[in-house]
Amino acid sequence: NAGVTQTPKFQVLKTGQSMTLQCAQDMNHEYMSWYRQDPGMGLRLIHYSVGAGITDQGEVPNGYNVSRSTTEDFPLRLLSAAPSQTSVYFCASSYLQGENTQYFGPGTRLTVL
Amino acid sequence: AQSVTQLGSHVSVSEGALVLLRCNYSSSVPPYLFWYVQYPNQGLQLLLKYTTGATLVKGINGFEAEFKKSETSFHLTKPSAHMSDAAEYFCAVSDRNNQGGKLIFGQGTELSVKP
Repeated sequence: NAGVTQTPKFQVLKTGQSMTLQCAQDMNHEYMSWYRQDPGMGLRLIHYSVGAGITDQGEVPNGYNVSRSTTEDFPLRLLSAAPSQTSVYFCASSYLQGENTQYFGPGTRLTVL
Repeated sequence: AQSVTQLGSHVSVSEGALVLLRCNYSSSVPPYLFWYVQYPNQGLQLLLKYTTGATLVKGINGFEAEFKKSETSFHLTKPSAHMSDAAEYFCAVSDRNNQGGKLIFGQGTELSVKP
């Protein structure tokens, strides 16, 4: 049971480049989400999904796209990277019902030059 | 909208001293309450959570937190700090009526432990 996995661990992009951050979970969780962590701001929700084929925006969705074709995978796409997207990105998953404890991946540290 | 406030972005204690990290939430209905810990260059790990029942919740590594509805607080404590407790701590809430675990996080408190 690997839990929540994220790739890559580190990435450097140039402004305007696009890329996809990968996230996968093997706990059969319906709910998956992406957060970004910036100093002094805690974690902020980017996008989330309550099941395959269903996604919705969080607090800071601009510049990011997501899709959920399977229960296990929830990739985050940066369409045209900007320096403001330099951050640490965390993927998390949980069951849909109950107290909804979220399990976090190890994070992807992204730098946009 | 719900919000979470952590008082103090940095807290420093001596080894063996009491650790107290403060968290207040704004919500008319008590939410689910969580404390997460993040060690340097790692992901977030659940310390403890309050869902229902006993208001004093015990977590891992000797930490505990008490839910006080009248004060809308969920402060984290540990009687005796250890060097290994140095980390960043996040308080978070989740609406009981939400489907899924959408979390609202506080700004985080960095705990330093002096020898």
